[in-house]
Amino acid sequence: AQTIHQWPVAEIKAVGSPLSLGCTIKGKSSPNLYWYWQATGGTLQQLFYSITVGQVESVVQLNLSASRPKDDQFILSTEKLLLSHSGFYLCAWSLPERLFFGHGTKLSVL
Amino acid sequence: AQSVTQPDARVTVSEGASLQLRCKYSYSGTPYLFWYVQYPRQGLQLLLKYYSGDPVVQGVNGFEAEFIKSNSSFHLRKASVHWSDSAVYFCAVTLTGNTGKLIFGLGTTLQVQP
Repeated sequence: AQTIHQWPVAEIKAVGSPLSLGCTIKGKSSPNLYWYWQATGGTLQQLFYSITVGQVESVVQLNLSASRPKDDQFILSTEKLLLSHSGFYLCAWSLPERLFFGHGTKLSVL
Repeated sequence: AQSVTQPDARVTVSEGASLQLRCKYSYSGTPYLFWYVQYPRQGLQLLLKYYSGDPVVQGVNGFEAEFIKSNSSFHLRKASVHWSDSAVYFCAVTLTGNTGKLIFGLGTTLQVQP
C-alpha cells in the first residue's frame, strides 16, 4: 500500500528565517506530486506540481520554491520566510481519479 | 472564470439530524466533482466523487451527493450525523478529469452538537 509522510508536523519560525518542508511517498513509483497551501480558514491553493524527478512546475508565486531530488521525495523551501507564509502545507500525490493527501505541516511564522 | 462556491462557511447541527452541505460550481463543460473531508490537524480524505452515470453517488460513512446539472450543484447529504462527522468539508471540481487540476471551494466547517 502507498503511504505519504510529511515532516515536520509543525514548525514555528521567525520572519526572515529559512524553511524546508519534506514529503515522501512510498509504494508508488513515479507519482505525480503536489504542494498545497491552506491559509487559516481558507481553501487549498496548489503551489507546485511535479511529474518526474528534477522537474517542478510553479502554479502560484508565493516566494517559495520546490524541488524533487528523488522519485519519492518532494521538498518545499524558502530562504526567507514572510508572515504571509503561515498556514497549513499539504503534500499530495494523484491517481487519475483522486488525490491522496499527507497529514500536513502547520507553519507559524512570527 | 472557473469557480467553486460553498456558500455556508459554518453549519451547526444536532447529532442525529440530517445534513446538507451546499456546493455550486461555475464551469462551461461537464465537470468531475469531488467532496473531501478534513479532520483537525490532518490532510484531506476523499468522501466521494462523481464522474458520470447515476447523479446520486454514495460515499464513505453514509454520505451521498447529488449532481444536478441544471442547477450546477453537487450538494453533500447525510441522513443522520454523528459527532465524529465534525470536520471541514471541501467541494472540488475539475473539467479535465485530472485530479492534479482540482479547484477547491473555501470549505464548510461542520459542527455536530451532542
